Amino acid sequence: DTEVTQTPKHLVMGMTNKKSLKCEQHMGHRAMYWYKQKAKKPPELMFVYSYEKLSINESVPSRFSPECPNSSLLNLHLHALQPEDSALYLCASSQDQGAPNYGYTFGSGTRLTVV
Amino acid sequence: GNSVTQMEGPVTLSEEAFLTINCTYTATGYPSLFWYVQYPGEGLQLLLKATKADDKGSNKGFEATYRKETTSFHLEKGSVQVSDSAVYFCALRKGGFQKLVFGTGTRLLVSP
Repeated sequence: DTEVTQTPKHLVMGMTNKKSLKCEQHMGHRAMYWYKQKAKKPPELMFVYSYEKLSINESVPSRFSPECPNSSLLNLHLHALQPEDSALYLCASSQDQGAPNYGYTFGSGTRLTVV
Repeated sequence: GNSVTQMEGPVTLSEEAFLTINCTYTATGYPSLFWYVQYPGEGLQLLLKATKADDKGSNKGFEATYRKETTSFHLEKGSVQVSDSAVYFCALRKGGFQKLVFGTGTRLLVSP
C-alpha cells in the first residue's frame, strides 16, 4: 500500500458545525502532516506529527485541532470555522520527519467549503 | 532562510513541444530537491527527486538535474502531451527536521 487516503473528499459545513477530516496511511511512515491549500497557491504547512507526537504547529488558530490516535491515522477536528477557511486540506506522510532524502506522499485532499 | 523560486505561469505549449520550467533555490548546505505535480482537483504527486549535486531525477519522460553551481533544478520534458497539463511545484527539504519548502507553482497548459 503506497497511498495516503483522505476522507471525506468534499465537505460543506456551517460556521457553527463541528466536523472532522480523516487521513490514513499504511506505509509505516512515522511523520504525518496537515497542509492547507488555497486556490492557485502552494500548500501551507499547518501541523506535523512525528512518532505520534505533535512536533510543529505553524501558529494555526485553535478552531483547528489535530489528533494522531496511532501511527497510521491522523485527524483534523474543525469547530467554529470561518468562510476564509474554505480550502483544500491535504494530508501527507513521510518516512521520518528528520530524513531529508525522502519526499512526502500526499493524499488527494478534502475540499472544504464553510458557509 | 530556505526558499524556492519558480518561473511564473501559465506556460502554454502545443502537444509534442519541448518543456522547461525553471526552478532556483536558496539554501545552505545540500538540500534534497523535488518536483511535485498536481492535476486538477487532486493532491500532489511526487514526480521526481534528486538528493545530491549532479544527480538527475527522472520519471514519465520528465527530467531535472541538481545543479549546485547555479542552485537550480529545472524541469524538462522532450515532448509534452495534453495529459501533462497540471500545476508543477518545485520543493526543497533539508535535514534536521526542517520542513518541505515549496515554490509558488507553475501551471502548464498543453493544447492538442
